[in-house]
Amino acid sequence: AQSVTQLGSHVSVSEGALVLLRCNYSSSVPPYLFWYVQYPNQGLQLLLKYTSAATLVKGINGFEAEFKKSETSFHLTKPSAHMSDAAEYFCAVSYFNDMRFGAGTRLTVKP
Amino acid sequence: DAGVTQSPTHLIKTRGQQVTLRCSPKSGHDTVSWYQQALGQGPQFIFQYYEEEERQRGNFPDRFSGHQFPNYSSELNVNALLLGDSALYLCASSLVAEETQYFGPGTRLLVL
Repeated sequence: AQSVTQLGSHVSVSEGALVLLRCNYSSSVPPYLFWYVQYPNQGLQLLLKYTSAATLVKGINGFEAEFKKSETSFHLTKPSAHMSDAAEYFCAVSYFNDMRFGAGTRLTVKP
Repeated sequence: DAGVTQSPTHLIKTRGQQVTLRCSPKSGHDTVSWYQQALGQGPQFIFQYYEEEERQRGNFPDRFSGHQFPNYSSELNVNALLLGDSALYLCASSLVAEETQYFGPGTRLLVL
């Protein structure tokens, strides 16, 4: 069975600082991996996805993630945080449309 | 190009009642999945519909049922509501041959 673990339920950074949100996956087959963002009282918006084409994936709003098979990780980064990045972030793994989500990481951005 | 839409946006029910939530997929998509997101948690997979059939199901009781129509829209029905059914219900659409799912804004259900 596939699963993801997000390390850190809450991350706080200063505006302009590096954002690093951690995700480790467990999958018996090559995974499809995703990061979604959820703003308050809204649905999930796709940030980026890994589908085995390239290990470094660039997404929207300046985010990127690197797939590391040896570490079974798919961490999300952004070089410089903006106040508008404050939201809940979810890592997800999917195989044959069976998508499993992590518990989420709440990102707070301090001015 | 319209994305995934859901109705209603909010709903209040009492224990024991039944509720129906609706979802229209993104244009061109043929697969609809439903998720339950309790407060402070990640979405939990309820079931998925393709070609009007339930294709996969998560660990939810039979009180949760669904339907997909020929135009690919879908309904989620929950019978005999419990307080614990209070959550945000998310619909996602995709193409059956692809893994990427696109989510709607959700329906927030409160059971009193």
